[in-house]
Amino acid sequence: AQTVTQSQPEMSVQEAETVTLSCTYDTSESDYYLFWYKQPPSRQMILVIRQEAYKQQNATENRFSVNFQKAAKSFSLKISDSQLGDAAMYFCAYYSGSARQLTFGSGTQLTVLP
Amino acid sequence: NAGVTQTPKFRVLKTGQSMTLLCAQDMNHEYMYWYRQDPGMGLRLIHYSVGEGTTAKGEVPDGYNVSRLKKQNFLLGLESAAPSQTSVYFCASSRPGSATYEQYFGPGTRLTVT
Repeated sequence: AQTVTQSQPEMSVQEAETVTLSCTYDTSESDYYLFWYKQPPSRQMILVIRQEAYKQQNATENRFSVNFQKAAKSFSLKISDSQLGDAAMYFCAYYSGSARQLTFGSGTQLTVLP
Repeated sequence: NAGVTQTPKFRVLKTGQSMTLLCAQDMNHEYMYWYRQDPGMGLRLIHYSVGEGTTAKGEVPDGYNVSRLKKQNFLLGLESAAPSQTSVYFCASSRPGSATYEQYFGPGTRLTVT
């Protein structure tokens, strides 16, 4: 079974600064996808960014980018120019193509300081 | 499109009572999922379905049953509720074969068992 580890239960960042959230995973598969989801106080799960394991290029979505290190099984999220609206719980997730299941990490609570 | 909807949004049960949570999606997705989210933990998969009339167990299936009689609906049942089932429940759906494997989430149901 795959495991996803987020070692930072809480992080804080000053508005307009950059923050990096860490995620590592354990798998023996070659076909998988990685995701970062954001969960604001409204509870709604919002997809932030995705990465296909077969792609070497790191995904980017506006102020959000990832550092995907396949050999190290690491998938960190970088948020640039942090905004107050970025404050939320962030979950890293692993999708197994064979098991057709999504496995979540325990989350990182991000606080943005004005 | 409403996306993924869940009914009800909140519910309080007494130990031993039964209830059914309804998930509906209007995106014609084949795959549907039920998760639970507990404090300090990520979402954990309870049951999932890869098509109408099929269901499978996830990571934490004990105490729950599911049914997928119609493609657009996925029901989660608690036959005899226990305090350990106090949680926030999320439904999600996805389309197999899509390039992204993204799961779309409902708004969640907060269940309290006293």
